[in-house]
Amino acid sequence: QKEVEQNSGPLSVPEGAIASLNCTYSDRVSQSFFWYRQYSGKSPELIMSIYSNGDKEDGRFTAQLNKASQYVSLLIRDSQPSDSATYLCAVNTYSGGGADGLTFGKGTHLIIQP
Amino acid sequence: GAGVSQTPSNKVTEKGKYVELRCDPISGHTALYWYRQSLGQGPEFLIYFQGTGAADDSGLPNDRFFAVRPEGSVSTLKIQRTERGDSAMYLCASSLGKQETQYFGPGTRLLVL
Repeated sequence: QKEVEQNSGPLSVPEGAIASLNCTYSDRVSQSFFWYRQYSGKSPELIMSIYSNGDKEDGRFTAQLNKASQYVSLLIRDSQPSDSATYLCAVNTYSGGGADGLTFGKGTHLIIQP
Repeated sequence: GAGVSQTPSNKVTEKGKYVELRCDPISGHTALYWYRQSLGQGPEFLIYFQGTGAADDSGLPNDRFFAVRPEGSVSTLKIQRTERGDSAMYLCASSLGKQETQYFGPGTRLLVL
């Protein structure tokens, strides 16, 4: 059974600092990885996708993937109060069997302190 | 362009009733997914459509849940004999294809009294 693990938090970070969010996954054949941001009462919004080992940067966001360690992370630089939300890690596995949807972690609740 | 839309945004029903939740995907997206999210949890996969067919319904919790996508665009999730445990946010997502990024609609919040 595929599992995605995240620290539920809350993770509290001062405004302007770097927020580091971590995620581990159990299925070694997982092939694509996503970070979604979810504000309270709203639906998930895509932040980053990453498919290959290494770093991928988009503005203030950097996703890092290490398939050997089954680990994916999201760094948010120059954190803003508007970044306060729950961050969901999601994994997709393309194989002949098993569910074809994303497997999500429970999310990390991030609080940016002004 | 328009994103994924879902109706209704909120639905309150009584235990034992039947409900239908609608999803209108992004135009041109052939893949459509339904998820269910309970408070404090991540979304859980229910069913995946590729075109008109349900390619994977392994996430549906039991036979009270059923979904259709008759013309390969709009999808309806149907829940029979609702139970209080069905109360959750029901999310729909669509993508260009199976391996593409999924974009979520605003969700339908279902409350079963």
